[in-house]
Amino acid sequence: KQEVTQIPAALSVPEGENLVLNCSFTDSAIYNLQWFRQDPGKGLTSLLLIQSSQREQTSGRLNASLDKSSGRSTLYIAASQPGDSATYLCAVRIAGGTSYGKLTFGQGTILTVHP
Amino acid sequence: DAGVTQSPTHLIKTRGQQVTLRCSPKSGHDTVSWYQQALGQGPQFIFQYYEEEERQRGNFPDRFSGHQFPNYSSELNVNALLLGDSALYLCASSLMERTNTGELFFGEGSRLTVL
Repeated sequence: KQEVTQIPAALSVPEGENLVLNCSFTDSAIYNLQWFRQDPGKGLTSLLLIQSSQREQTSGRLNASLDKSSGRSTLYIAASQPGDSATYLCAVRIAGGTSYGKLTFGQGTILTVHP
Repeated sequence: DAGVTQSPTHLIKTRGQQVTLRCSPKSGHDTVSWYQQALGQGPQFIFQYYEEEERQRGNFPDRFSGHQFPNYSSELNVNALLLGDSALYLCASSLMERTNTGELFFGEGSRLTVL
């Protein structure tokens, strides 16, 4: 059974800092990994999607890496801003069988960026 | 281009009642998945619909049922509501032909409170 863990559970940083969020998964047989952002009481906004054959993806100040063999992904946020405050979730898509694209999520990292 | 839309946004029910939640997928998408997110947790997969059939199901009781219509929209029904059913219910859409490699797009969710 695939399990996804995110560390830390919560993180508070001053504005301008670079930061790293961690995600680990127990089964390396995945199609891809997706990072999401969730504002309080809202839905999920897709940030980055990394296919299993890729090592990293970048979008603006965000960079996500994937090491499938070790079951790890990191989300790097450069020059953090108060508007980055949100919960960040990672999710993996299991390969094989009849998974039909089911995502398994971590519990999220709550990020607070203070001015 | 409309994204994933869900209704209602909030609703309150009492134990034992039944509820129906609705979802319209992103334009061009043919597959709808439903997730339950309890407070402070990551989303949990309920089931997925494609071609008006349930294709895969997570670890949820039969009280949770769904339907997909010819226009690809979907409904989630929950019978005999329990206090523990209180959660944010998220709908996600995707393309079946890219079910293993494509992004999932989520709606804003329906917040269900059971009293």
